Amino acid sequence: AQKITQTQPGMFVQEKEAVTLDCTYDTSDPSYGLFWYKQPSSGEMIFLIYQGSYDQQNATEGRYSLNFQKARKSANLVISASQLGDSAMYFCAMRIGGGGADGLTFGKGTHLIIQP
Amino acid sequence: DAMVIQNPRYQVTQFGKPVTLSCSQTLNHNVMYWYQQKSSQAPKLLFHYYDKDFNNEADTPDNFQSRRPNTSFCFLDIRSPGLGDAAMYLCATSRGRMNTEAFFGQGTRLTVV
Repeated sequence: AQKITQTQPGMFVQEKEAVTLDCTYDTSDPSYGLFWYKQPSSGEMIFLIYQGSYDQQNATEGRYSLNFQKARKSANLVISASQLGDSAMYFCAMRIGGGGADGLTFGKGTHLIIQP
Repeated sequence: DAMVIQNPRYQVTQFGKPVTLSCSQTLNHNVMYWYQQKSSQAPKLLFHYYDKDFNNEADTPDNFQSRRPNTSFCFLDIRSPGLGDAAMYLCATSRGRMNTEAFFGQGTRLTVV
């Protein structure tokens, strides 16, 4: 079975600094997708970035980038120039192969707090 | 405009009294999911529909059922809620392809009294 591990329960970061949120995964399936979601206190899960297992380049979306190291099975999220509005829970998630309709397996999340 | 809408946002139900949570989507996605998220925990997949095909997770209790009468709507029925079922329930949709994200609603926070 697939598994996602996020080892940082909480992080405090100064505004405008870059922050790296760790994520490691475990699966024996060669085809998988990795996702990062942001969950503010309001509860909605907001999609941030996606990385496919066969993608050669690291994914980037604005201030978000994904540091994908396949051999190490890690998919860390990097947020550049953090802002106060980035304070939230961040979840790493994985979907394994097959038809693509399977649900996401989530890690336990990292609570990120940006300090002014 | 909201694309995945969950109603109600907050639901209080009595112990043992059946309750239904609803989800609708304007994205015309094939797949609809229900997740349970307990306080300070990761979302846990309960089941999903691919079109009309229902897929139950092996460890989802029988107390939880779902209906999808059409593409746009999906319901979560809890037949006899217990105190341990208090949680945030998240509905999500996707196009059903590996590289596509799931779109989530704002969730329904269920309290059991």
